[in-house]
Amino acid sequence: QVQLQESGPGLVKPSETLSLTCTVSGGSISNDGYYWSWIRQHPGKDLEWIGHIYYSGSTYYNPSFKSRVTISVDTSKNQFSLKLNSVTAADTAVYYCVSLTSWARSFDYWGQGTLVPVSS
Amino acid sequence: QSALTQPASVSGSPGQSITISCSGTSSDVGYNFVSWYQLYPGKVPKLMIFEVSNRPSGVSSRFSGSKSGNTASLTISGLQAEDEAEYYCSSYTSSGTPYVFGSGTKVTVL
Repeated sequence: QVQLQESGPGLVKPSETLSLTCTVSGGSISNDGYYWSWIRQHPGKDLEWIGHIYYSGSTYYNPSFKSRVTISVDTSKNQFSLKLNSVTAADTAVYYCVSLTSWARSFDYWGQGTLVPVSS
Repeated sequence: QSALTQPASVSGSPGQSITISCSGTSSDVGYNFVSWYQLYPGKVPKLMIFEVSNRPSGVSSRFSGSKSGNTASLTISGLQAEDEAEYYCSSYTSSGTPYVFGSGTKVTVL
């Protein structure tokens, strides 16, 4: 059973960079057919797909984030990471790392989620 | 503002069946890449249905999915107290961002 766990600072100041890492256990991040995604849920409860990365390093981002987002992968550590620049209060959300299957386009395994408040 | 429309809440008594709808367009729900998720506060979200009507291993057969046109549905049969949670639909989309979610439905067991 694949498990994912988010880690990172619990609070980010406005205009700074939000950084999170997801550690994958119970399976290889280099597994063919899986994309490694970040999804967030605002306090108002809407879910939003941020982007994903393949183990090769190829990425696909939600255009809504324009150039603010970077997702990277470290196959040696079985981890992938999220960086979101120039954050505002609107980026306050629970951030989930999630596996996406390429054939079913479904989000099969989720992390517990981590709340990241953006506040001075 | 969510791309897919769900009712804010649905309720039912134990043992009853309830259905949650997820309305979209031919650019999203029109594809057969609709999935459903169960979210409990503080717990790991769970995939309940993928590709409109397929259940992952370990998901109760009381959960079923279907689609008619551009509206997908999740039906919970034999409603149980443990089914009380938030449910979200999601779909691959050919316009804009490739994955969109519904607005979420709170299921209450009376």
